[in-house]
Amino acid sequence: AQTVTQSQPEMSVQEAETVTLSCTYDTSENNYYLFWYKQPPSRQMILVIRQEAYKQQNATENRFSVNFQKAAKSFSLKISDSQLGDTAMYFCALTTQGGSEKLVFGKGMKLTVNP
Amino acid sequence: GAVVSQHPSWVICKSGTSVKIECRSLDFQATTMFWYRQFPKQSLMLMATSNEGSKATYEQGVEKDKFLINHASLTLSTLTVTSAHPEDSSFYICSARDRWEGLRYEQYFGPGTRLTVT
Repeated sequence: AQTVTQSQPEMSVQEAETVTLSCTYDTSENNYYLFWYKQPPSRQMILVIRQEAYKQQNATENRFSVNFQKAAKSFSLKISDSQLGDTAMYFCALTTQGGSEKLVFGKGMKLTVNP
Repeated sequence: GAVVSQHPSWVICKSGTSVKIECRSLDFQATTMFWYRQFPKQSLMLMATSNEGSKATYEQGVEKDKFLINHASLTLSTLTVTSAHPEDSSFYICSARDRWEGLRYEQYFGPGTRLTVT
């Protein structure tokens, strides 16, 4: 069984600063994919970034980057130059290749960006 | 691209009645769709996996007869909450996988449906 753990329920950061959201996971599969989703107050789930486990290079998407530590089963998200629009719930998620294709979500973390 | 719609966005129904929620992939074909339930300030809870042309696979603890799922085409899945009760009030979200994206394993999410049962 797969599990995803987000141990920080809530964080706040000042606008323009950098913040890191932590996520650990557990799976016995070798081929899997990790995601960070954002859910703003509108409640629309938005994909922030994805990482294939077989890729050693950390994924980046503009101001968003990940620190993927496969051996430690850690997948943290770094948001640089935080903006007010980054205020949202952030969910870490895992899916494995093949099988049921289900996404396993962490409990989420509420990020507030203050002006 | 990769847009998923849900209808209605908000529905209020009386206890004992049934309500149907539609999930459509607008610009891609989805052999697999997923239905989630989300309570306030909580994570998404997977209810069932919907496969086109076959029966849905329900998660443990989800009542199949209460939450009827139909995935009759490659672009439409429906969730019917039968004999709704106030405890069924929640936010329901669907997602879909593009059949041609293969190894991306990405799910595209609909905007959600707020169900209130009075």
